[in-house]
Amino acid sequence: DVKVTQSSRYLVKRTGEKVFLECVQDMDHENMFWYRQDPGLGLRLIYFSYDVKMKEKGDIPEGYSVSREKKERFSLILESASTNQTSMYLCASSPQGGRNQPQHFGDGTRLSIL
Amino acid sequence: QKEVEQDPGPLSVPEGAIVSLNCTYSNSAFQYFMWYRQYSRKGPELLMYTYSSGNKEDGRFTAQVDKSSKYISLFIRDSQPSDSATYLCAMSKNSGGSNYKLTFGKGTLLTVNP
Repeated sequence: DVKVTQSSRYLVKRTGEKVFLECVQDMDHENMFWYRQDPGLGLRLIYFSYDVKMKEKGDIPEGYSVSREKKERFSLILESASTNQTSMYLCASSPQGGRNQPQHFGDGTRLSIL
Repeated sequence: QKEVEQDPGPLSVPEGAIVSLNCTYSNSAFQYFMWYRQYSRKGPELLMYTYSSGNKEDGRFTAQVDKSSKYISLFIRDSQPSDSATYLCAMSKNSGGSNYKLTFGKGTLLTVNP
C-alpha cells in the first residue's frame, strides 16, 4: 500500500512565524502535491512537484513556498503565517505517466494560526 | 460556471439503501474520473478510478461516467453505517506528466443511519 506521511496531525503557530509542513512518501513517486481544504471551498492546489527540485504553482500559491530536495520528501513553507492560512493541509503523491495513476493522500495537518 | 459541481448535501439514508452521488463538469477535456472517500479527520482515500465513459463496479460500489452529458455518478448498494463519510469526485485531463492536476468537487457528506 502507498504510504504518505505528514509529520504533524495538529499544529498551532502564531502570526508572523515561519511554518514548515513536511510530507514523506514511500512509493518512489515522481509527483507530489500540497492542497488546503476549507469548508465550502473544497480542496485547492497550492503547489506541486513532478521531480526533485522542480515545482509548479497551483491555484493558490500566494504566501506559500515549497522545497523538494529528495524524491520522497516535499515540504510546504508558510513564509510569514497569517490567520487566513488556518486550514487543513493535505499532501498527496502519484507516479509519473501511464494510465491508472491516481493521487494518494496523507491524513492531513490541521494548522491553526493564532 | 465552476469546472466541477457537486451537491454538498448533507445526505442521510437508512442502512441498506441505495445511494446515488453525482457530479457535473463543464470541461470536455476531462478524461480520468475518480471518487474519493474521506472520513472525519482523515485524508481522502481513493475508491474508484475510471477512464472515459462507461461503468465500473467494485463490490458494493459502481462508478458511472457519461461524457456526452458531462455527468458522473457513484452508486453504493446495501449502504452501511461505515459508509458515512464525505465523498469527493475528482477529474483530470491526463493521467500523469508534468502538468498532471486534479480538479475536485467540494464533496457530499453522507450519513447512513442504522
